[in-house]
Amino acid sequence: KAGVTQTPRYLIKTRGQQVTLSCSPISGHRSVSWYQQTPGQGLQFLFEYFSETQRNKGNFPGRFSGRQFSNSRSEMNVSTLELGDSALYLCASRPSPEGSQPQHFGDGTRLSIL
Amino acid sequence: SQQGEEDPQALSIQEGENATMNCSYKTSINNLQWYRQNSGRGLVHLILIRSNEREKHSGRLRVTLDTSKKSSSLLITASRAADTASYFCATDDSARAAGNKLTFGGGTRVLVKP
Repeated sequence: KAGVTQTPRYLIKTRGQQVTLSCSPISGHRSVSWYQQTPGQGLQFLFEYFSETQRNKGNFPGRFSGRQFSNSRSEMNVSTLELGDSALYLCASRPSPEGSQPQHFGDGTRLSIL
Repeated sequence: SQQGEEDPQALSIQEGENATMNCSYKTSINNLQWYRQNSGRGLVHLILIRSNEREKHSGRLRVTLDTSKKSSSLLITASRAADTASYFCATDDSARAAGNKLTFGGGTRVLVKP
């Protein structure tokens, strides 16, 4: 089974631009979550999607948004990029939100803001 | 914000030695999970321990959970150079029993010297 696939792997943008990151979950997994990892703040939860609906949202400004498609693939968008948005963005999937199940992570998209 | 703290922040050992790292958290949990991250890569799930479990083993890994002290430990026995990585604990908050949000600790960087 293919793992979680995130594209692109690396991205360089400038302040004020916007960016869209993509995540394809493991086949059969319908729950997708996004995390931001930075040296200063560590790993922080962004949001979670299931059945095309956002179920949980972390403490991030409205510039961060996401969506999930009917095939469970997910995208996240960051508008009006700031220097502090430079981070590794990780996507994780699991079969469903219920129960005690581990998350399966992709290798992330490393976003650098100049 | 991060749920808890990991101790130590960094650990350097010789191949063959055991590595122990600890994690403390603040709220009630459904389960606690340990993940490994190699440099520049995504997180790999190692082990999940439910709140009603006290100890769990998987290969060379042993995890303990003390809910009265809100703490967990991860022991890696007979370490290998390939165990060099950062290790994170993550809690699944029981306040959102059907949720899919993990709250991560700051991680322990482990260096295993050949």
